Formats: sequence, structure tokens, C-alpha cells
Amino acid sequence: EDKVVQSPLSLVVHEGDTVTLNCSYEVTNFRSLLWYKQEKKAPTFLFMLTSSGIEKKSGRLSSILDKKELFSILNITATQTGDSAIYLCAVEGWEDNDMRFGAGTRLTVKP
Amino acid sequence: GAGVSQSPSNKVTEKGKDVELRCDPISGHTALYWYRQSLGQGLEFLIYFQGNSAPDKSGLPSDRFSAERTGGSVSTLTIQRTQQEDSAVYLCASSLVTGYEQYFGPGTRLTVT
Repeated sequence: EDKVVQSPLSLVVHEGDTVTLNCSYEVTNFRSLLWYKQEKKAPTFLFMLTSSGIEKKSGRLSSILDKKELFSILNITATQTGDSAIYLCAVEGWEDNDMRFGAGTRLTVKP
Repeated sequence: GAGVSQSPSNKVTEKGKDVELRCDPISGHTALYWYRQSLGQGLEFLIYFQGNSAPDKSGLPSDRFSAERTGGSVSTLTIQRTQQEDSAVYLCASSLVTGYEQYFGPGTRLTVT
């Protein structure tokens, strides 16, 4: 059965800390892995990863995919209170049109 | 440019009533997705439209849920005989084509009393 597992489920850090969020998956005919940041209602797209070993970076956020070990990590350096959100990982397959979502990691950054 | 819009933003309905939720995707986007998020849950896929292909309805939780996409643009998600467990935020997203980044609308918060 296809599944996406994120860890930890919840994380509390202080401003300036670096965090690493994990996403492991088992999906038939993997196509892409996506990371979203969800605040309030609508998640915002962060990264889409399709190839192993190629780091994607945007400001203090970066992500990398390991297709052999079937996982991805999302790193956030020098965290700020505005980084507090739920971070969602989703995986798409080639044949199955739907996206499998993990339950998310709730990140809380304290001042 | 204009993003994905959804209406209404909030909907309170009585158990047993039917509701319709609307999604206007970004112009030119051929793929349209409906999701819902219940309290404490991750995003749950509901249904997916790609161009003129038959929609993927594999995520619809029951036959009370249905969706249409007219003219390849606007989509309506209908929930018949609503139940309290239908209370959630219903999110719509569109993408240029499948596999490309998705742009989410603000969602409709549905509360069934």
C-alpha cells in the first residue's frame, strides 16, 4: 500500500535553531515529491523534487531527495517565528493521478 | 495575476442539507484538484481533473460527494446530505499540467451543525 510518513509529527525550537524535517515514502511508480508549508487554510508550495541528490534551495530552506532510500529532508536554517507552520510532504506517482500526503510536521518556533 | 479563487469562504449548514463549493482555477491550468483538511489531519485528496480526461474520483469518501468541471475551467464540489464528519476546510488547487507545482486557493471552511 502506498504511504507517506513524516517525522517528527511535532517539533518545537527556538529562533535561530536549524531543523530537519523528514519524509519517507512507499509509492508505486514514483514521479515527484513535493513539500508545502501550511499556515491557516491554504498550503503554499515550497519545492518539487524529481531527481536524487540534487538539492533545491530557497533562502533559508533547502531540500533533497534520495530515491534509493525513498526519503526526502527539508532543512530550515536560522529559524524564525514566521516559520511556524505545518510542513506537508506529498508524493505523486506516474500512473496513479492522486497525490499521497503525509500527516505533516507541525513546527513551532519560539522567540 | 489572479490566483485560484474559491467560494464561499465559509459555509455553515445543517446536517442533512446539500452544499456546493466552487473553485475558479488559474486561467490556462488544465489540472484541477480538490482536497480537504480536517482538524489535526493532513491534506486528503478527493478528486482530480486533467483536461478532458475522465476525473480520478478515487479519493471521494462516499457517494454523497461528487464534482464537476465545466468547460475545463470552473469546478463545483457537491456534498449531499451533509454529515458532521464532513466539517473541514475544502481546498482547490490547479496546475498547468499534472506533475507541475500546484497553486492552492484559500479554501472553503465547511461547518456542519
